[in-house]
Amino acid sequence: DTEVTQTPKHLVMGMTNKKSLKCEQHMGHRAMYWYKQKAKKPPELMFVYSYEKLSINESVPSRFSPECPNSSLLNLHLHALQPEDSALYLCASSRQGGSSGNTIYFGEGSWLTVV
Amino acid sequence: QKEVEQNSGPLSVPEGAIASLNCTYSDRGSQSFFWYRQYSGKSPELIMSIYSNGDKEDGRFTAQLNKASQYVSLLIRDSQPSDSATYLCAVNRGNQFYFGTGTSLTVIP
Repeated sequence: DTEVTQTPKHLVMGMTNKKSLKCEQHMGHRAMYWYKQKAKKPPELMFVYSYEKLSINESVPSRFSPECPNSSLLNLHLHALQPEDSALYLCASSRQGGSSGNTIYFGEGSWLTVV
Repeated sequence: QKEVEQNSGPLSVPEGAIASLNCTYSDRGSQSFFWYRQYSGKSPELIMSIYSNGDKEDGRFTAQLNKASQYVSLLIRDSQPSDSATYLCAVNRGNQFYFGTGTSLTVIP
């Protein structure tokens, strides 16, 4: 079983809604990630938090807003999304990078449908 | 040039055969190498990690790394229908993990 927990597993939202995806890990990892994955495509990096600070933002539209309240939690706030944002959103975590042996572990994902 | 390249397949093998999956990467500074399995509609699941040149075996799975050739492979022995999935190759540098596009494997009973 994955030690990265994501909620909700499924979310349907309208284009004017505001919702949030949540992620929690208890492995003591200090790097946390949001990925977006469309069907038959590899995971696409959105954001990386390192020691609770945003370290990488892959030019993601502002309608996606990440938040890292503490070292175990990661949120993704969603507002004014478009139907093309419908995808599987994956949270992941890893030890702080920079050395061999750094492994990324994924949560089960949140399926988002924008209507 | 893509960071990680995989043959997208699809790859079909009969049950009991050896499935061979290949991956190349572009940056010699890559530190760690991984194979993830992803069933349709599910998240990626780590099946193998390898950090140094050579082979690493875990049950029916063997990962091979050749840093000089910038090549990583995964062998699945005695393939089972339950191995049918997409296999993602990934490499790590610092806090960045780069994924290949995945190879779709079908094991035919």
